[in-house]
Amino acid sequence: DAGVTQSPTHLIKTRGQHVTLRCSPISGHKSVSWYQQVLGQGPQFIFQYYEKEERGRGNFPDRFSARQFPNYSSELNVNALLLGDSALYLCASSLGSDTQYFGPGTRLTVL
Amino acid sequence: AQSVTQLDSHVSVSEGTPVLLRCNYSSSYSPSLFWYVQHPNKGLQLLLKYTSAATLVKGINGFEAEFKKSETSFHLTKPSAHMSDAAEYFCVVSDQRDMRFGAGTRLTVKP
Repeated sequence: DAGVTQSPTHLIKTRGQHVTLRCSPISGHKSVSWYQQVLGQGPQFIFQYYEKEERGRGNFPDRFSARQFPNYSSELNVNALLLGDSALYLCASSLGSDTQYFGPGTRLTVL
Repeated sequence: AQSVTQLDSHVSVSEGTPVLLRCNYSSSYSPSLFWYVQHPNKGLQLLLKYTSAATLVKGINGFEAEFKKSETSFHLTKPSAHMSDAAEYFCVVSDQRDMRFGAGTRLTVKP
């Protein structure tokens, strides 16, 4: 069975640009969560979506937004990129309970 | 509010000796607790999960963790370290809306 998939694997952007990251959950999973992992730190929660509704939001600025589609895939959008947005962005899916399964991540570098 | 503290940023053991990675948590609810492992340039893999069914939880690859409510601890152990266990380990507390990760413990295994 396919696990959580994310695209792209790597991305390089410049300050001020915007970026869209994509995530496909495990088949049958209806919840998707996004995390930011800065080098040397633990992942930080950004958003959780369940059945296309936002279920939770972490302490991130409004430049960060997300949505979930009818097929339960999800996009994370970040506007007006800053150097500090450089990180590994992780997507996780779950059935709706709290056990989350993570994808390999998208490495974003902002120059 | 919930939080998790991993007491050691780096643990070094010799191959074949026991592993102990320490985690304390704080939560207003009866939390779910997890340990995840992250190998270099890989996503997060679930090692084990506690959800109040049993205080001693067995996970994959010979790891186990014991939930001690009186000490608010959830330490991860393994009787005998393998070279392949070298990785970053994260303790996580969850209230189903928000997963809080510890800062991580880097485990080094010496031959």
